[in-house]
Amino acid sequence: KQEVTQIPAALSVPEGENLVLNCSFTDSAIYNLQWFRQDPGKGLTSLLLIQSSQREQTSGRLNASLDKSSGRSTLYIAASQPGDSATYLCAVTETSGSRLTFGEGTQLTVNP
Amino acid sequence: GAGVSQSPSNKVTEKGKDVELRCDPISGHTALYWYRQSLGQGLEFLIYFQGNSAPDKSGLPSDRFSAERTGGSVSTLTIQRTQQEDSAVYLCASTRLDTQYFGPGTRLTVL
Repeated sequence: KQEVTQIPAALSVPEGENLVLNCSFTDSAIYNLQWFRQDPGKGLTSLLLIQSSQREQTSGRLNASLDKSSGRSTLYIAASQPGDSATYLCAVTETSGSRLTFGEGTQLTVNP
Repeated sequence: GAGVSQSPSNKVTEKGKDVELRCDPISGHTALYWYRQSLGQGLEFLIYFQGNSAPDKSGLPSDRFSAERTGGSVSTLTIQRTQQEDSAVYLCASTRLDTQYFGPGTRLTVL
């Protein structure tokens, strides 16, 4: 059974700092990995999708990497801003169109 | 364009009552998923619809839970004889090009 773990569970940083969120998964036979953002009381917003054949994806100040063989992904946020404060979730699928298996999330607070 | 919509946004019910939660996926998306987010439990998969194929119901926690999808579009998740442990946020998602797009969720509280 696939298990996804995210470390740390919570992170508080000052504005402007670069930071890294970590995600690990137990079964390396994944189809893709997706990073989401969730604001309090809201649904999930997709940030980046990495296919299993890819090593990284970038969008603006966000960069996600994938090391499938070691079962790890990182989300790098550059020059953090207070508006980045949210819970960040990592999720994997095992085949095309299959369910997402989620980690517990990292709650990020960026202090002005 | 319009995203995934869900209704109601909040539902408070009494233990033992039945509830129906609705999801309108993004137009043209053929796959639809239901997930549940409980306090301290994280997000768990409930059910998955793909086109005209039989749904994957393997995540439904009990036979009190059922879902249908009419005309390949709107989906309804029904919980019969609700229990307090059913209290959670129920999230719906639809898929395009492997990316899952989530609705805002329905917060269900069972008293």
